[in-house]
Amino acid sequence: QSVLTQPPSVSAAPGQKVTISCSGSRSNIGNNYVSWYQQFPRTAPKLLIYENNKRPSGIPDRFSGSKSGTSATLGITGLQTGDEADYYCGTWDNSLSVGVFGGGTKLTVL
Amino acid sequence: QVTLKESGPVLVEPTETLTLTCTVSGFSLSSAGMGVSWIRQPPGKALEWLAHIFWNDEESFSTSLKSRLTISRDTSKSQVVLTMANMDPVDTATYYCARLVGGRSGLYYFDYWGQGTLVTVSS
Repeated sequence: QSVLTQPPSVSAAPGQKVTISCSGSRSNIGNNYVSWYQQFPRTAPKLLIYENNKRPSGIPDRFSGSKSGTSATLGITGLQTGDEADYYCGTWDNSLSVGVFGGGTKLTVL
Repeated sequence: QVTLKESGPVLVEPTETLTLTCTVSGFSLSSAGMGVSWIRQPPGKALEWLAHIFWNDEESFSTSLKSRLTISRDTSKSQVVLTMANMDPVDTATYYCARLVGGRSGLYYFDYWGQGTLVTVSS
């Protein structure tokens, strides 16, 4: 059972937009920055979004992040088949004093 | 450029202690605000945070695994070592080390990851 809650899967057609939610609590998302990671099969995760809404160099602006209260959202526009991957949110939990991840969301581009 | 590489055994027997080494380059383990974290992923399952060590030697461990884990760093070798005692088949997973960015309130993310190393626990 992950501390952060994500939907197990989402899907959308190529060219469309999709959002992935990440729900937490005051002790984690509510008081800390959220990051997002993209993971293709059999490869290491890759940082997609940090500090809620910042993109590392090389990440296209089709990827965006936002946070409100104790929830965060990853948005992907102009979906491509190459975006099919697992997506994880992560942050720090002040009460548990541990790093925490969501359970991951599998994105399917139909 | 920043790189991290995990090394260690691919197979361990139940009850043994696992020792994994993360060798980093492109940054210093003494850089303020920087750290290294260990994260694992059982086959087909989600990421699980295990531990971190920061530039100031501040450490933290997974609540459920705290009694089994140690973490240390050797800045001269640019290495971070994780040990996990009393290994069990359920600990079979790909183990990643990642560079951790923190150091100020609320900031905590992993900007570079190693390729991961699959550790199988079996007799």
